[in-house]
Amino acid sequence: AQKITQTQPGMFVQEKEAVTLDCTYDTSDPSYGLFWYKQPSSGEMIFLIYQGSYDQQNATEGRYSLNFQKARKSANLVISASQLGDSAMYFCALDNFNKFYFGSGTKLNVKP
Amino acid sequence: DAGVTQSPTHLIKTRGQQVTLRCSPKSGHDTVSWYQQALGQGPQFIFQYYEEEERQRGNFPDRFSGHQFPNYSSELNVNALLLGDSALYLCASSLDRTGSGEQYFGPGTRLTVT
Repeated sequence: AQKITQTQPGMFVQEKEAVTLDCTYDTSDPSYGLFWYKQPSSGEMIFLIYQGSYDQQNATEGRYSLNFQKARKSANLVISASQLGDSAMYFCALDNFNKFYFGSGTKLNVKP
Repeated sequence: DAGVTQSPTHLIKTRGQQVTLRCSPKSGHDTVSWYQQALGQGPQFIFQYYEEEERQRGNFPDRFSGHQFPNYSSELNVNALLLGDSALYLCASSLDRTGSGEQYFGPGTRLTVT
C-alpha cells in the first residue's frame, strides 16, 4: 500500500509569492514522523522541515512551514516568499518505526 | 564538521557483477540508511543500520546486503547486478533516539549497469 502520496507532479509559482505543496500519508501507527526534503538538480537531498505525530503545533523553519492536519492525514509544505533558488524537486517522507517512505515528488518552478 | 560522504561518485558495472558502495556518516551520528533513487522517482528505502545490525529493511531482494562498522560507517553490497539496478544510491545518517530523527543525506553514488 502506498504510504506517501504527492499528487502534484509539477507546480509553477511567481517569485515572491507563496506556494503549497500537497502531501498525504497512510499509517495506522500513532507514532510517526513526517519530513520534507528539497532535491536540486545537483542531486543532493536537503532537509527542510520535520513534524512529529505528537507535535501540537505546526512546524516552521524560516520560510518553510508544514500544515499538519492529522485527522486528514495530510502534511502540506508551505513556502512563503518564493525565490528563484527554490526551483527544485520536493519530496515528502514518512518515518514509520525507522522505515522511510518517500513520495514521488513535486517539481517546483519559480518564475521571475 | 564533515557531512555525510559517499564513495565512489560514479560507477559503471556489467550485468552479473557485484558492487560495493561506501558511506561515512555525519560526525556524531550512529545510524545509517540506504536508498535507491531511480531516475524521475522518489528514493526507495533499502535498509537501515544501527549498532552494526540491520534494524529495518524495505522491499529489496537479498542481493542487496549491507554492513555497519564500529565507527558507524557503512557499506552497501549488491550482487548479481541487473540493468534495473541502475540508479542513484543515497546514504543518510541520523542520531538514534526514541521516535524518528532528522536524516542528513550524502551526495549519492550514481551506478550504471550495462
